[in-house]
Amino acid sequence: NAGVTQTPKFRILKIGQSMTLQCTQDMNHNYMYWYRQDPGMGLKLIYYSVGAGITDKGEVPNGYNVSRSTTEDFPLRLELAAPSQTSVYFCASSYEGGRTDTQYFGPGTRLTVL
Amino acid sequence: AQSVAQPEDQVNVAEGNPLTVKCTYSVSGNPYLFWYVQYPNRGLQFLLKYITGDNLVKGSYGFEAEFNKSQTSFHLKKPSALVSDSALYFCAVRASGGSYIPTFGRGTSLIVHP
Repeated sequence: NAGVTQTPKFRILKIGQSMTLQCTQDMNHNYMYWYRQDPGMGLKLIYYSVGAGITDKGEVPNGYNVSRSTTEDFPLRLELAAPSQTSVYFCASSYEGGRTDTQYFGPGTRLTVL
Repeated sequence: AQSVAQPEDQVNVAEGNPLTVKCTYSVSGNPYLFWYVQYPNRGLQFLLKYITGDNLVKGSYGFEAEFNKSQTSFHLKKPSALVSDSALYFCAVRASGGSYIPTFGRGTSLIVHP
């Protein structure tokens, strides 16, 4: 199993540009998450999904959009990039329901908005 | 609401000495508690979790954590630190019922000196 994969690894955007961060998991996990990590601030939840077709906002959703058309994929869309979105983005997945489980994280995408 | 506090931004320890990384939490009902480790330029990796049962939980790489309900703490420990243990450590909590979404602490940087 590849686990959780993310692309791209690095990206530089200009203000106002848009992009999609890709996330795929091959563990048949029902839950998927997007976090951003800023220095000294820990992880902030952007959006999460409890299954295909179902998404919900996390702590910091403004400026982002998500969709989940399949169990495997959970892309994160930035529509109008702003410098405040400079961060490292992590996708994670877990299996929940009936038992508790741990989160598996991808390697991250480092995004810089100039 | 649930929350996690990691009171130390950084912990310094000499190789071979015992280490402790502190975590306290607040949650309604019974907690599920987790520790994750992040090495430089990598995603988070699961170390150990407490769900129920024995208050002392053993995890990967020789780490263990003690759940203390009266003090609402879940400190991470290791009897003898290695230089390779140097990393960023995150504590996370979620309630046993309701939402499966965990809340992460801000992280503690562990530096093990040779």
